[in-house]
Amino acid sequence: RKEVEQDPGPFNVPEGATVAFNCTYSNSASQSFFWYRQDCRKEPKLLMSVYSSGNEDGRFTAQLNRASQYISLLIRDSKLSDSATYLCVWSGGYNKLIFGAGTRLAVHP
Amino acid sequence: DAGVTQSPTHLIKTRGQQVTLRCSPKSGHDTVSWYQQALGQGPQFIFQYYEEEERQRGNFPDRFSGHQFPNYSSELNVNALLLGDSALYLCASSSIAGVLSGEQFFGPGTRLTVL
Repeated sequence: RKEVEQDPGPFNVPEGATVAFNCTYSNSASQSFFWYRQDCRKEPKLLMSVYSSGNEDGRFTAQLNRASQYISLLIRDSKLSDSATYLCVWSGGYNKLIFGAGTRLAVHP
Repeated sequence: DAGVTQSPTHLIKTRGQQVTLRCSPKSGHDTVSWYQQALGQGPQFIFQYYEEEERQRGNFPDRFSGHQFPNYSSELNVNALLLGDSALYLCASSSIAGVLSGEQFFGPGTRLTVL
């Protein structure tokens, strides 16, 4: 079983739509979780951390369910500029990052 | 403030050859991690250097080796190249604060093609 599993998509949504990505992880000892964003042929960049209590950053909301080993990212009011690959990530000690394969999002007019 | 830089941008090699990739971390960062990203996949952790030593390593063969210099810059060496080594190689730097925040700053990567 892969350490991090994501639906690869692509998710094709119109501007203004709400879209949710899910991710499951296999290591119950995982402590820290993140969503990274990667634009086409660019490097990954941290989008947001994921906390057990859930956290929000503008149009983005992240949730963590430790019991189910499940992480989610919700994007509200999608913009064209949100088109990218979203990578589910956990940190395995000393900031060693374990990435999922990513979920592609395409927002169209 | 320069971010993470990597060289070269692109590289074409043939099977069996050796390659060296270079990385300069973001100013103030002392930890450098290397990742391999195959097409359509997420980055895979190769190893991490801190204080000029390999601190931890992913599931990569010994053909992959590295080095960190006193100025924190780093090299990734791959020997006896295989076709399957074709990928984007990403360098990421972080600091002690980054260990807690999970934020690593990635360079633009080196795209290696093995023919």
